[in-house]
Amino acid sequence: DIQMTQSPSSLSASVGDRVTITCRASQSIGTYLNWYQQKPGEAPSLLIRSASTLHYGVPSRFTGFGFGTDFSLTITGLQPEDFATYFCQQTYAAPPAFGQGTKVEIK
Amino acid sequence: QVQLVQSGAEVKKPGASVKMSCKASGYVFSSFAIHWVRQAPGQRFEWMGWINVSNGDIKYSQTFQGRVTISKDTTANIVYMEVESLRLDDTAVYFCARGWLQLTYLEHWGQGTLVTVSP
Repeated sequence: DIQMTQSPSSLSASVGDRVTITCRASQSIGTYLNWYQQKPGEAPSLLIRSASTLHYGVPSRFTGFGFGTDFSLTITGLQPEDFATYFCQQTYAAPPAFGQGTKVEIK
Repeated sequence: QVQLVQSGAEVKKPGASVKMSCKASGYVFSSFAIHWVRQAPGQRFEWMGWINVSNGDIKYSQTFQGRVTISKDTTANIVYMEVESLRLDDTAVYFCARGWLQLTYLEHWGQGTLVTVSP
């Protein structure tokens, strides 16, 4: 099975900051990589699909990049509503697997 | 709008079974698949299985094969998942989510069903 490793596990940042989260796959997955945001007590919401395609209605301050094994999610100009946990997911091969999550906290 | 509404929280003893539901609305039920994913406390999301609502095809994660059963009621737009032989480490929030295929992004999620397994 493909393993997904995110880093860092958590980070502290201020409103307006630029933050980058990385996700590494244990083998090449092309661009079959999705990013989700989850706030406490809520279900996840899809942010980015296919490594870099912004999902409908997601603000343009979110950008995704990567191919193969290394991927990143960048938030440029962090907003108060962006403090949440972010997960990556590979959909290249069954079973679809998730990263362990990165919690973005307020500094 | 697309909605997936899941059944309420459950408390079960080890060895028992739990059956939860996911009622879909706001779209053509048979046009999409439903996936089940769980999130145990402090753990990453874990994919459990999916059902192709259109043709009834079902696939399970090897981790849960033999202990999980996914089914559907097309007339009621509901997908069910039953987990048998519950263990303490099955305590988790179980989510249903809508996708296109087995390997697909999940663009709509239910609110989650908390299952607590306690002696």
